Amino acid sequence: DAMVIQNPRYQVTQFGKPVTLSCSQTLNHNVMYWYQQKSSQAPKLLFHYYDKDFNNEADTPDNFQSRRPNTSFCFLDIRSPGLGDAAMYLCATSNDRPGPQHFGDGTRLSIL
Amino acid sequence: KNEVEQSPQNLTAQEGEFITINCSYSVGISALHWLQQHPGGGIVSLFMLSSGKKKHGRLIATINIQEKHSSLHITASHPRDSAVYICAVPLLGSGSRLTFGEGTQLTVNP
Repeated sequence: DAMVIQNPRYQVTQFGKPVTLSCSQTLNHNVMYWYQQKSSQAPKLLFHYYDKDFNNEADTPDNFQSRRPNTSFCFLDIRSPGLGDAAMYLCATSNDRPGPQHFGDGTRLSIL
Repeated sequence: KNEVEQSPQNLTAQEGEFITINCSYSVGISALHWLQQHPGGGIVSLFMLSSGKKKHGRLIATINIQEKHSSLHITASHPRDSAVYICAVPLLGSGSRLTFGEGTQLTVNP
C-alpha cells in the first residue's frame, strides 16, 4: 500500500548530539511537511518542501534543518537538540497545496 | 480568539451512541480537514471537504461555508473510536500551512 513511513518510531539522543529523523513516501506526492507536536498540543508546522522548493516557517528555530534529496525522501536534522525539543515529529505529504495531507506514524524523540 | 475552535474539548460516550464534534473557524478557507490521532500515534486524515457532506463508513462530515462551521458525526460509536479528533484548515493565502483546532478527546466506553 502507498504510504508515508517514518523511521525510527522512537529515537533517543543526548543533549546537544545531532540527530536525524527520516521520512519516505510511496505516494509520489509533490509536497512533504515536517510537524512538531508536543504533549497535548496541536501539531506545529516546521517547514515544507514543494518539490525542491524549501519553505521555512518564520518561527522555526535555526537548530532545525531539512533535506529532500529526491521525491521520496525527506529528512529532519536537529543540530543540537535541547530538552525542549523532545516531542513527536510528524511527516506528511500532499499531492498539491492545499490538498489532503497523508501523515506518517511519527517519531517520538526523547532527549537525555 | 483562536482562528479554529472545536467543541467539546473532551467527550465521553457509551458504546453505540451518536457523537457530534463541532468546529468553527473565523476566516476564509478553501477546505477543511478532519483528522484522527490515537494515543502515541500518528495522524490519519479522515476527510477533506469544501462543501456539503462526506460519508465514510460510520463517519460523516458536514460543512457550512456561509456559517463557517463543520461537524464530524460518528454513528454507532465503538471503543476503538476513542481518539483525539482534530479540525484543521489551510487559511486562504497561507499556502500549505494548516491551522489546527485544539482537538477533541473522545472516549467511548463499552
